[in-house]
Formats: sequence, structure tokens, C-alpha cells
Amino acid sequence: AQSVTQPDIHITVSEGASLELRCNYSYGATPYLFWYVQSPGQGLQLLLKYFSGDTLVQGIKGFEAEFKRSQSSFNLRKPSVHWSDAAEYFCAVGARGTDKLIFGTGTRLQVFP
Amino acid sequence: DGGITQSPKYLFRKEGQNVTLSCEQNLNHDAMYWYRQDPGQGLRLIYYSQIVNDFQKGDIAEGYSVSREKKESFPLTVTSAQKNPTAFYLCASSIGPAGANVLTFGAGSRLTVL
Repeated sequence: AQSVTQPDIHITVSEGASLELRCNYSYGATPYLFWYVQSPGQGLQLLLKYFSGDTLVQGIKGFEAEFKRSQSSFNLRKPSVHWSDAAEYFCAVGARGTDKLIFGTGTRLQVFP
Repeated sequence: DGGITQSPKYLFRKEGQNVTLSCEQNLNHDAMYWYRQDPGQGLRLIYYSQIVNDFQKGDIAEGYSVSREKKESFPLTVTSAQKNPTAFYLCASSIGPAGANVLTFGAGSRLTVL
């Protein structure tokens, strides 16, 4: 079955600390991978995506993610978290020619000063 | 600026009433989507449309209906048949199929059943 797992429901970090949000997927075809961010009461915004090529992709707001096919993972990282990064983060998987995107259940990030 | 406009932002409904959520985009995107978001469950696809006058059921279509009479508009009706309609509803659009294209989201509509 096709699925996306975000094992961490809630993560708390101090401002300035590094961050890694985990994402594992199960998908039959070559995956297209996305990370979206959602501020409270708002819609989602794309952080970054991976379709092919270099497995380390850079996104907006200083985020990056690494695609590891052998581990079926697409973890999101940031070297130094800012208070404004507090939000909910969603990993999603799709594929070329497919109508649907499968979302994980999200990870809520809390940042302490 | 181009984007997606959802209205109303907040909506209250009495049991047994139908309500319609509006979604308008000026991005010239062909595909449009409706998602439902509940705490801890991520986003679940209700309906989607790849072209005018055509739409498909998503994973949780029961109790919902849609229309796509214009490229720019994709309204969602929550009918009285939807047993638990209280949720946050998100409309999105993309230039092509969602699996391989970036989704642009609206700001959402929160529906509460009284």
C-alpha cells in the first residue's frame, strides 16, 4: 500500500538548534517527494520537492532535504531554527502521471526562545 | 498577485443543512482539489478535477458534492449526509496532476456544526 509516515507528531527545539524531521514512504513507482509547511489556521506552502537528480535538495527558508532510496526516506533538515519556523510540516509523495498526492499526518514544530 | 481565494473563512452550520464553500483561483491552473484536514490525520482528498465539467471522487467523497463549470471555480457542498462535517477544508490547484506538480493552497475554511 502507498503511504507516508511521519513518526514524530510533535517536536520541540530551542531557537538556534538544528532540526531534522523524519519522513518515510512506501510507494510502488519512482516517487516524487514534497515537503509543505502550514502556519496555524492557514493553507500549506511548498518548502521543497524532489523529482530526480541530486538527492540533496534545497528549499525556501534555509531548509534542505535528502532523498535516500535505500531507506525510503526524505528527511527535512535545517541547521539553525528560528522562532518563525514554528508550524506544522507535511511530507507528501506522488509520481509522474498520478492524480493524487499522499500526505503524511504531519509534525508540529514548537520553537522555544 | 495570483492565488487561491477560499470563502468564507469561518462557517457555522446547523445539523441537517447543506453548506457551500467557495474556491476561486486566478492561476490559470487546470487541476483543482478539495482536502479535509482533521487534527492528527493529515490531509484527506475529497474531490478533484483535472478539467472543466469533469471531476472525480477522492478518498472521502461521501456526503460531499462539487461542480466545475468554470476553470477558475471549484465549489464544495457539504451535504446533510456528511455525518461529521466539522473540520478545516483546504482547496488547492496545480498546473497538472497533483502527483508530479506543486500544489498551491488557499487559506482554508473552517466549518463548525452546531
